[in-house]
Amino acid sequence: AQSVTQPDIHITVSEGASLELRCNYSYGATPYLFWYVQSPGQGLQLLLKYFSGDTLVQGIKGFEAEFKRSQSSFNLRKPSVHWSDAAEYFCAVGPPANTGFQKLVFGTGTRLLVSP
Amino acid sequence: DTAVSQTPKYLVTQMGNDKSIKCEQNLGHDTMYWYKQDSKKFLKIMFSYNNKELIINETVPNRFSPKSPDKAHLNLHINSLELGDSAVYFCASSQDTAGGGGELFFGEGSRLTVL
Repeated sequence: AQSVTQPDIHITVSEGASLELRCNYSYGATPYLFWYVQSPGQGLQLLLKYFSGDTLVQGIKGFEAEFKRSQSSFNLRKPSVHWSDAAEYFCAVGPPANTGFQKLVFGTGTRLLVSP
Repeated sequence: DTAVSQTPKYLVTQMGNDKSIKCEQNLGHDTMYWYKQDSKKFLKIMFSYNNKELIINETVPNRFSPKSPDKAHLNLHINSLELGDSAVYFCASSQDTAGGGGELFFGEGSRLTVL
């Protein structure tokens, strides 16, 4: 069964410092991979996604993620964190298109706190 | 104009009551979902409809009954509410045609508190 692990429940980063949020997945083939962000009291918003091709994908708000097949990882990075980035971040995995209806499985989330 | 809208945003009710949450999307998507987010922020899919047809029905008590009158609307009715039903319920939609890429568009959530 497909699963997603986000090993860090909380991460605190100083404003202006770099950020890396970890995500590992378990899936029989190369899945589609996603990062979503949830601000307090809001729904989830897509940051970026990986389907195929270049393993380094760029997203919104200055985020990027790198797919590493050998490590079954899809870590999210940002070179310089802003206070407004404080939120909950979710990694998700889903089947490739045309292999069935898309059911995303989410990780348990990582809460990012940004200190001044 | 909100893409995926849910009502109500907050719902406080007593155990044993019946309640409904409504969802509408104006994105023209074919597929809609209900997700449950528990107190630990864990998100789990409950149901999914594609063009008004139920396609995903996870292990959910049959007190939960989704209804999709058309592909732009997906409602969730919950009978005989229990304390453990307290959660945030998210509606989402996606376009499952080629190129849709599985991106989900979420509503802002409906926080249900059962007393």
